[in-house]
Parts: sequence; structure tokens; C-alpha cells
Amino acid sequence: KNEVEQSPQNLTAQEGEFITINCSYSVGISALHWLQQHPGGGIVSLFMLSSGKKKHGRLIATINIQEKHSSLHITASHPRDSAVYICAVRSNFGNEKLTFGTGTRLTIIP
Amino acid sequence: DAGITQSPRHKVTETGTPVTLRCHQTENHRYMYWYRQDPGHGLRLIHYSYGVKDTDKGEVSDGYSVSRSKTEDFLLTLESATSSQTSVYFCAITRDTHTEAFFGQGTRLTVV
Repeated sequence: KNEVEQSPQNLTAQEGEFITINCSYSVGISALHWLQQHPGGGIVSLFMLSSGKKKHGRLIATINIQEKHSSLHITASHPRDSAVYICAVRSNFGNEKLTFGTGTRLTIIP
Repeated sequence: DAGITQSPRHKVTETGTPVTLRCHQTENHRYMYWYRQDPGHGLRLIHYSYGVKDTDKGEVSDGYSVSRSKTEDFLLTLESATSSQTSVYFCAITRDTHTEAFFGQGTRLTVV
């Protein structure tokens, strides 16, 4: 079982819909990262959080440490939001390395 | 955008040849990482550096070596490339172990 599981693996939605991407992890963490990767492109950091909720524009990230679960929400989705969204956790012991999920491929249809 | 540059961006090489990928940063961040990205896998850590001349292995380090002689440069070397090393390679930097990570644009390496 992977330490970081994302769901769904693929998501297609209509423009304007509210999007939720989930991330569950099995280890103790000091922080969780949400990243965005456009096709053929680099990886951009969206959020780093260790508790509660963060908001940036139409993006909202939440984390529940007790349940080992995080969600990334996109409000009023737009075709330019089409990308792969990656969850990564930083372990709170050992060398504190990042462990990555396999990503959620989001496609927003106009 | 964080100042992190990978070179080359694309490379095709033959099996058995040596290959070096370069990661250059202008942020003076202490930590630098090399990952590979393959279908069906999350990003996997190859090697990382926590300072000049200080490096350590990641989970998929076999067949790879690294060097960091200056704060700004982290080199990844495939001593004798194999087809299994065909992948997209990403460099990342962090100021310390508890801060945001910044990624390069990636290097697509094809070993034929």
C-alpha cells in the first residue's frame, strides 16, 4: 500500500463545477504539499499546510491531521485548471523526505 | 518564480553512455533534490543534497551518482545509461526541511 493515496485518479468536469481532490496518507507528517503540473510542464507548488485550511484565489486546501486526510477544492473551475494535481507529504521522522502521490489528472471541459 | 534551471531539457542517448544532468539555482537554498517521474509512480527520490559536498541516497539511487561542489549546482550522473532510466527528471530545492519546495521544469531523458 502506498504511503500517499490520491482519489480520484482521473476527473473530468464541466466548466464552473466545484472540484474536490482527495489525499490520504498513512504516516506521521510535519507538512503536506499540493502541487500542480500542466501537460509537458514543470511542477508548481500550490500549498504547504500542516493544519486547518488555506485559500488562494479559487483554490482551497484543507487538512485533518487526526484522520490523515487532505482535500484540494477548486471553485468555479475553468479549462485552464486542467492539470495533474499531486499531493506530497513530509514525514516527521527520519530524513523528513517528501513522499508523493501518483497524482489526479483533472480535465475541465468548456 | 524560484530561480531553478535544469539542463538539458531534452536528451536522447544510447545505452551504455554516460549522461549528466544539471540543476542550477539562484536562491541559495540549502537542500537540493533529484527525482524521477514515471507513469504509475509518484515522484521518486534519487539523491539529495543538504549542503556543499553533502549528499545522500534516495529510494531509487542505483545507477545514479550526484555531486554538489557549489551551493548553486547539483549534478546528476548516469554512469552507463540503461533503458530503464528513460524518464522525466525533476530537480527541486528547499530552504530547509520544513519549507516550500520549488521545482525545475524537468528533463526528459530517453535512452535508446
